[in-house]
Amino acid sequence: GAVVSQHPSWVICKSGTSVKIECRSLDFQATTMFWYRQFPKQSLMLMATSNEGSKATYEQGVEKDKFLINHASLTLSTLTVTSAHPEDSSFYICSARLAGAIDTQYFGPGTRLTVL
Amino acid sequence: TQLLEQSPQFLSIQEGENLTVYCNSSSVFSSLQWYRQEPGEGPVLLVTVVTGGEVKKLKRLTFQFGDARKDSSLHITAAQTGDTGLYLCAVDTGRRALTFGSGTRLQVQP
Repeated sequence: GAVVSQHPSWVICKSGTSVKIECRSLDFQATTMFWYRQFPKQSLMLMATSNEGSKATYEQGVEKDKFLINHASLTLSTLTVTSAHPEDSSFYICSARLAGAIDTQYFGPGTRLTVL
Repeated sequence: TQLLEQSPQFLSIQEGENLTVYCNSSSVFSSLQWYRQEPGEGPVLLVTVVTGGEVKKLKRLTFQFGDARKDSSLHITAAQTGDTGLYLCAVDTGRRALTFGSGTRLQVQP
């Protein structure tokens, strides 16, 4: 089946620093990738839609200048959390869309971000 | 208000018991998906239901899509400790991204 990887799997950083998270589709090309955030004991919430070669589309309430998304190739999207603060600590999960008769999204294993 | 309401929020049962998880909405969907997520991992797709009234089986898991395509249920027969996890229903609201339900956290005790 289709595989999506994320790197790093976990990261701890100091408040005010920036952190980059990578999302790769390993065996298929994805023109569209998605970034979700999941707080403890909660469900996944969509942050933004990442489109290859164009600007990302952000959900209401998600600051585009804080969460920078780049989708430079058909297999790689990156999320950079700029000037991270403790409230940004969360589980960040990406997914890549495999187009077909019924579109299917394949999820990465997630990245646990802890901001001290 | 959440688009997809799941119930119960939390369920703790003994191994061998049966259980049903519900996913309800007031909206109509062309399809609905069920995922299972284990701690520290991304969600894994279990099934996609498309037709109103459709029933799909995956080993001990039975999924049903409501006749009106507004709700769905997941029934697990003879639960095992390996079934422990967060069960999420999800729909595509037309923007290709998924909207997830509130989730049901299942714990199966040995």
